[in-house]
Amino acid sequence: GQNIDQPTEMTATEGAIVQINCTYQTSGFNGLFWYQQHAGEAPTFLSYNVLDGLEEKGRFSSFLSRSKGYSYLLLKELQMKDSASYLCAVMDSNYQLIWGAGTKLIIKP
Amino acid sequence: GAVVSQHPSWVICKSGTSVKIECRSLDFQATTMFWYRQFPKQSLMLMATSNEGSKATYEQGVEKDKFLINHASLTLSTLTVTSAHPEDSSFYICSARVAGVDAGELFFGEGSRLTVL
Repeated sequence: GQNIDQPTEMTATEGAIVQINCTYQTSGFNGLFWYQQHAGEAPTFLSYNVLDGLEEKGRFSSFLSRSKGYSYLLLKELQMKDSASYLCAVMDSNYQLIWGAGTKLIIKP
Repeated sequence: GAVVSQHPSWVICKSGTSVKIECRSLDFQATTMFWYRQFPKQSLMLMATSNEGSKATYEQGVEKDKFLINHASLTLSTLTVTSAHPEDSSFYICSARVAGVDAGELFFGEGSRLTVL
């Protein structure tokens, strides 16, 4: 079956760095997405990786290793507003998105 | 980026009534739109894939007669929750992808919170 694993919850300190991991097993691969979702709101797009390596976008970076079925989202210089759930999603061979359960990130002052 | 608008944002209805939720792509054409529901503290659950001009494809366990989906144009899909009951109370979210782009970013609507009394 298809499976996306990511930690349920993480806690970090304002100003620090946090890495949220995502491992996947899917039928085919057409890219991996990271979305941010604040409570009660729809997800917002953060990043898309389809090739191995690191994609940097401001304070957020996303890494992909297709051979390992692994990705991480790196958040630097954490701010209180970064407290949210972070969803990892993989597009399979049918171009369907398989969603992880999300990682709730708690930022403490 | 592209904008997807969802309406209404909040709806409260009595048990047994039907509720329609609209999802519009404002500045792009979307041949495919997706409908999700999300319970508190849980991830998105894909309900159905809405294809313009054809019948929606429902995920296993989702009642197609309960959740009616119509995708009448390249910019509008509607989800109608028929004979709503309290257990249908949830956060419903639509998303869309630019027409002709299979492996691209999904743009999400703002979501619609349904409360059935």
